[in-house]
Amino acid sequence: QSALTQPASVSGSPGQSITISCTGTSSDVGSYNLVSWYQQRPGKAPKLMIYEVTKRPSGVSNRFSGSKSGNTASLTISGLQAEDEADYFCCSYAGSSTFWVFGGGTKLTVL
Amino acid sequence: EVQLVESGGGLIQPGGSLRLSCAASGFSVTNNYMSWVRQAPGKGLEWVSVLSSGGSTYYADSVKGRFTISRDNSKNTLFLQMDSLRAEDTAVYYCATGGSSWFDPWGQGTLVTVSS
Repeated sequence: QSALTQPASVSGSPGQSITISCTGTSSDVGSYNLVSWYQQRPGKAPKLMIYEVTKRPSGVSNRFSGSKSGNTASLTISGLQAEDEADYFCCSYAGSSTFWVFGGGTKLTVL
Repeated sequence: EVQLVESGGGLIQPGGSLRLSCAASGFSVTNNYMSWVRQAPGKGLEWVSVLSSGGSTYYADSVKGRFTISRDNSKNTLFLQMDSLRAEDTAVYYCATGGSSWFDPWGQGTLVTVSS
């Protein structure tokens, strides 16, 4: 069982927006602005999409955005495209004993 | 171009040892935090270990005392020595740059299968 809780799957039609939640605790997501999101296509390595809750790396589409409220972080993808279909994982710093925790992943299906 | 290439995975019996390598190009492993993250078949990601630029090492409780992270500055390569391997260590092992704020980029991964 993963430390952070994500929905197993979400879906949306092209052009729509979807949001993936990532629920942790006051010891990880709630305490640090060190939440990141990763996209993983089948058989490929994860790719950083969002870091430090809201920041987007160079080269990542501005259709991807991140936010946090309390112990829950969220990834929003607007203007869904077929190429967005992938697994998405959240990650949070959890202090100097546990260090890093990941969510179980969410499979995004573009209908 | 920044690139990470892992090697060293394979089939190993329970209780055995294996050393994974991660060759870096386009940047220096010495000047960056470097991490190992694993993914069991069909499962999520699990952080395993991090080596700071200053040389400090940290491990997940699940591997503490069995795995050792290190680097060879002359070869610009990160290593993960895995001892006393268990079936639950079966996973694709990724090396990744980072471990202080985020993980990026990642290598393509190397599969470790622990089975008799």
